[in-house]
Amino acid sequence: DAGVTQSPTHLIKTRGQQVTLRCSPISGHKSVSWYQQVLGQGPQFIFQYYEKEERGRGNFPDRFSARQFPNYSSELNVNALLLGDSALYLCASSLAPQGLLFFGSGTQLSVL
Amino acid sequence: QKEVEQNSGPLSVPEGAIASLNCTYSDRGSQSFFWYRQYSGKSPELIMFIYSNGDKEDGRFTAQLNKASQYVSLLIRDSQPSDSATYLCAVANAGGTSYGKLTFGQGTILTVHP
Repeated sequence: DAGVTQSPTHLIKTRGQQVTLRCSPISGHKSVSWYQQVLGQGPQFIFQYYEKEERGRGNFPDRFSARQFPNYSSELNVNALLLGDSALYLCASSLAPQGLLFFGSGTQLSVL
Repeated sequence: QKEVEQNSGPLSVPEGAIASLNCTYSDRGSQSFFWYRQYSGKSPELIMFIYSNGDKEDGRFTAQLNKASQYVSLLIRDSQPSDSATYLCAVANAGGTSYGKLTFGQGTILTVHP
């Protein structure tokens, strides 16, 4: 079975641009969470979605938004990119909101 | 005070030794505790989880939880060079806005030398 898949794997953007990151959960998993990991730090929670509804939001500005589709895949959008948004963006899926989290390989975003 | 604290290391142990990784957390309402391993340039991989006080063993790994002391640890027996990675401690709370959210420590870098 395929694990959590994320696309693209790498992305280079300039300040002020917008970016969309995509995630497909493990088959049968209905919950998707997004995390941001800055180099040298642990992942930081951004959003969790379950059954297409937002179930949790971390301490991130409104420039960050997400949604979950009927097939449980998810998109993370970041508007008005800042240099500080450069990070590894991780998607994780679980069977249920408090299930074990399994991470995808991530999208490395560089903002120049 | 950080919510989840780990010694960033690096922790260096010889091959075959026991590696001991420690983590403390600040929220007494924390319910579930996880250890993830992250190789350089890769994503975190779940290796252990523990919910109850005491020890939980899985192969060469043992997780230990002491809720009264708000302390969780990971022991790796017979350490191998392939265990060299960053180990992330993560904590989950139940209910409210924290539903399903994991709070991670900054990670401990472990190096196992031959």
